Amino acid sequence: AQSVTQLGSHVSVSEGALVLLRCNYSSSVPPYLFWYVQYPNQGLQLLLKYTSAATLVKGINGFEAEFKKSETSFHLTKPSAHMSDAAEYFCAVSDLRNTDKLIFGTGTRLQVFP
Amino acid sequence: DTAVSQTPKYLVTQMGNDKSIKCEQNLGHDTMYWYKQDSKKFLKIMFSYNNKELIINETVPNRFSPKSPDKAHLNLHINSLELGDSAVYFCASSQVSSGQVYTGELFFGEGSRLTVL
Repeated sequence: AQSVTQLGSHVSVSEGALVLLRCNYSSSVPPYLFWYVQYPNQGLQLLLKYTSAATLVKGINGFEAEFKKSETSFHLTKPSAHMSDAAEYFCAVSDLRNTDKLIFGTGTRLQVFP
Repeated sequence: DTAVSQTPKYLVTQMGNDKSIKCEQNLGHDTMYWYKQDSKKFLKIMFSYNNKELIINETVPNRFSPKSPDKAHLNLHINSLELGDSAVYFCASSQVSSGQVYTGELFFGEGSRLTVL
């Protein structure tokens, strides 16, 4: 069965610092992978997705993620954090039996300090 | 216009009561979902409907009954509410139809926070 593991439930960075949020996946076949962001009291919003094309995926708000098959990872990065990036971030993998079903990780809360 | 809208946004009720949450999407999508997010932010799918047909039912207690009168609406009715039902319930939609390229993008509503006392 597919699954994702997000290492670190909380990540804190200073404004302007590099953001790195970790996600490892488990899948017997090449997966589709996603990062979603949830701002306070809002629903989730797609940041970016990997669907077996380019391994380096660029998303909205300056975020990007790299699919590394050898490491079964799909870490999310941003070169310079903004205060507005403070949110909960979820990694997700599609269930290959039901491609419209997403399996979410437990989330990582990003805090950005001035 | 809100793409996926849910009502009510907040719901506080007593154990044993029955309550409903409504969801509507104006994106023209074929597939709608209910997700439950618990107090630890863990998000898990409950149901999905494609063109009013139930596709996914993730071992949810039968006290939870989804209903899709048309492909733009998916409501969730919960009978005999329990303390453990307290959570945020998210409705979502996506365009997943046979013959279409899978995008994997879900569009979420803002959530309905249910508190059972």
